[in-house]
Amino acid sequence: AQSVSQHNHHVILSEAASLELGCNYSYGGTVNLFWYVQYPGQHLQLLLKYFSGDPLVKGIKGFEAEFIKSKFSFNLRKPSVQWSDTAEYFCAVSWGNNDMRFGAGTRLTVKP
Amino acid sequence: EPEVTQTPSHQVTQMGQEVILRCVPISNHLYFYWYRQILGQKVEFLVSFYNNEISEKSEIFDDQFSVERPDGSNFTLKIRSTKLEDSAMYFCASRGLAPDTQYFGPGTRLTVL
Repeated sequence: AQSVSQHNHHVILSEAASLELGCNYSYGGTVNLFWYVQYPGQHLQLLLKYFSGDPLVKGIKGFEAEFIKSKFSFNLRKPSVQWSDTAEYFCAVSWGNNDMRFGAGTRLTVKP
Repeated sequence: EPEVTQTPSHQVTQMGQEVILRCVPISNHLYFYWYRQILGQKVEFLVSFYNNEISEKSEIFDDQFSVERPDGSNFTLKIRSTKLEDSAMYFCASRGLAPDTQYFGPGTRLTVL
């Protein structure tokens, strides 16, 4: 079955630390890849997406992600986190024209 | 910027009652979705809807659930007889032609007592 795995359940960092959140998906073929963020009490917001082209994708708020096809991965990175980045981060994948599936989410806590 | 809207923001109901959750997708979008998120858990796909019919549904979307696009703007999720375990945040999403991003509404928090 198609699935999305996020390896880190809860990540705690200090401000200015670098961030990398892992995301892996099952099956190859054509994939569309997304990272969504959910701030406390708010709804899902798109951080960035990959459909094709340059596998290094830049999103909002200084986030970026790299698609590595050979590893079925789409890890999210940010060089220097801020307290305001505290949120839940969801990786999502759609295969071809199929509908999207989400990973379990990673809770990021940034200590001031 | 156009956005997906959902009403109500919070619905409290008694077990066994029917609820209808409403969504207004972005106006030129063609694909519509419902997801749910039980507190502290991941976002789960429920159903997708295109061209006035269900295109895909998950195991969660059993006979108690139904979706409808009653007019040109609304997209509804009905739960016929709610159970305690239906308590969750329900998100509506819509998108245009593939490949495209799904845009999410703010969610409806359903509490079943």
